[in-house]
Amino acid sequence: GAGVSQSPSNKVTEKGKDVELRCDPISGHTALYWYRQRLGQGLEFLIYFQGNSAPDKSGLPSDRFSAERTGESVSTLTIQRTQQEDSAVYLCASRGRAYGYTFGSGTRLTVV
Amino acid sequence: GENVEQHPSTLSVQEGDSAVIKCTYSDSASNYFPWYKQELGKGPQLIIDIRSNVGEKKDQRIAVTLNKTAKHFSLHITETQPEDSAVYFCAASKSSGGSNYKLTFGKGTLLTVNP
Repeated sequence: GAGVSQSPSNKVTEKGKDVELRCDPISGHTALYWYRQRLGQGLEFLIYFQGNSAPDKSGLPSDRFSAERTGESVSTLTIQRTQQEDSAVYLCASRGRAYGYTFGSGTRLTVV
Repeated sequence: GENVEQHPSTLSVQEGDSAVIKCTYSDSASNYFPWYKQELGKGPQLIIDIRSNVGEKKDQRIAVTLNKTAKHFSLHITETQPEDSAVYFCAASKSSGGSNYKLTFGKGTLLTVNP
């Protein structure tokens, strides 16, 4: 597609439930990133995929967080047993050969 | 790892004035410095970037300067307009050592341009 697509745009979930967030990158972009943005804060790196290489998971805050990506296609970020501190906007970005990222509009997650 | 500091956190200017946002970084190996603009409810959008082999880059009303010795870079917006109001983020990354353009972001600057 023309841009990075994320779904859902908003998600409200109860504490303790699992959630799955989806990212459709720009076609042909080999690199895909997930970032977390808490209210009024900067962007916090979570995980990075580059083609078929092993992902860089160094930013995942706990083992409740995981992400998958098959090849250069869709990625899903899964948060298990959600906690209130997981409430944030989760942003996905993809990158082709150029340096710059293209971000999606994000998924706003609210844990109640 | 890399640490990026951004100042000020908020900036209010009159329409037509200039705005300057400054960032410092800690990793001397960083070689790519983008700036992103984020409007309410949207994802960040790349507005300008600079690589470490260049000291200054301009694109119409926006410019970025880089001082590698001091490890700081700045965004300059001239002739500000109300539509420039947004949150601006600086970032830094390096393309060596396996980092593969993983960006470290500053905490953002809320710019308000008053008509």
